[in-house]
Amino acid sequence: GESVGLHLPTLSVQEGDNSIINCAYSNSASDYFIWYKQESGKGPQFIIDIRSNMDKRQGQRVTVLLNKTVKHLSLQIAATQPGDSAVYFCAEIAYGSSNTGKLIFGQGTTLQVKP
Amino acid sequence: EAQVTQNPRYLITVTGKKLTVTCSQNMNHEYMSWYRQDPGLGLRQIYYSMNVEVTDKGDVPEGYKVSRKEKRNFPLILESPSPNQTSLYFCASSSPTRGYTFGSGTRLTVV
Repeated sequence: GESVGLHLPTLSVQEGDNSIINCAYSNSASDYFIWYKQESGKGPQFIIDIRSNMDKRQGQRVTVLLNKTVKHLSLQIAATQPGDSAVYFCAEIAYGSSNTGKLIFGQGTTLQVKP
Repeated sequence: EAQVTQNPRYLITVTGKKLTVTCSQNMNHEYMSWYRQDPGLGLRQIYYSMNVEVTDKGDVPEGYKVSRKEKRNFPLILESPSPNQTSLYFCASSSPTRGYTFGSGTRLTVV
């Protein structure tokens, strides 16, 4: 069925280290994947996206990797900072013939950055 | 600034008293949707709208109504709120080529 899951509910890293947050998805028809960051009391904030015809995309300090063979998505954050502490969600969209663009979220991983 | 605006941010109400949570976007997006966020259940879609006067149920539509009379606004209506609708609600809008933009959320408590 449709579901997007994350491997770990909580990830704790030292400030300055790199963080890797993983996500497994089940819908092989998904076209588009997005990582969101949600800070306490705020709505999900777009971080980076990737389309199904790509396997890697880089942003500022963030990289998303997509492995369609094993249906796996990861978010890499370089030189993690205290301001990166938040809950991170992966999400997928399968546009299909209906083009509804429904966003399906995973459960979220809480990133804790230790000073 | 491109944004999705929800109001109110916080609301405490009593069972059965009709309420409306407003949502407005200034990006001229056709697609808008409502989500609720609950601990352990993540974000679940309540209703969505693909354009003016076009709305459809999401995964958890029971107890909710929506309307889309104009492109920028997509209010969420609870005709008779119940305690199980206590939750954190998010409105979002999107374009086919870009991800969703979310509002800041409405924390609703029904007593």
